[in-house]
Amino acid sequence: DAGITQSPRHKVTETGTPVTLRCHQTENHRYMYWYRQDPGHGLRLIHYSYGVKDTDKGEVSDGYSVSRSKTEDFLLTLESATSSQTSVYFCAISESYSINQPQHFGDGTRLSIL
Amino acid sequence: DAKTTQPNSMESNEEEPVHLPCNHSTISGTDYIHWYRQLPSQGPEYVIHGLTSNVNNRMASLAIAEDRKSSTLILHRATLRDAAVYYCILRDTAGGTSYGKLTFGQGTILTVHP
Repeated sequence: DAGITQSPRHKVTETGTPVTLRCHQTENHRYMYWYRQDPGHGLRLIHYSYGVKDTDKGEVSDGYSVSRSKTEDFLLTLESATSSQTSVYFCAISESYSINQPQHFGDGTRLSIL
Repeated sequence: DAKTTQPNSMESNEEEPVHLPCNHSTISGTDYIHWYRQLPSQGPEYVIHGLTSNVNNRMASLAIAEDRKSSTLILHRATLRDAAVYYCILRDTAGGTSYGKLTFGQGTILTVHP
């Protein structure tokens, strides 16, 4: 199994509070991704990174920011959490953006915003 | 992005083969066909991918129609652990730089009976 650890695995917080989710990898892969999964929407890409300090937006990036100061860590921050951000968040990694390279996913963080 | 169509659900018995269909009638010549699965409470897991030829790996086989408008994921002997949601995804190289986004549809829920 790919060495991907997401933390925390579960979190409950209140509207308006800041939240940071962490994705840690031990594979030294260049590409890292944050997705959210919601009923009826499948998985949707929030942000991705193509190297240290290199990040870009995905399709549902509003309300989220990311940072990558080390190859192994990719942080997702909700500056002021809203109830619409209640979701399951998945981190993924891949060696390159090539479509021949699979993405490997972590086990997710279940985030509830009350 | 070209669209895929999968049955909402399928059932199988343990130790029997399972054929999971996927229609992609608008597939382009540069689209690769990828399959992922998601077990309960886990992140998606890469299964297999191909372009034109049939492909085999330790998890499954992928049969691609000659006109590439459909494909079938074959699990040769289903186990209870194969109960999951199976996603058929098209990944495109057209347009040059792709950040490797995976677009997940609703997938097929596979139930395996003992």
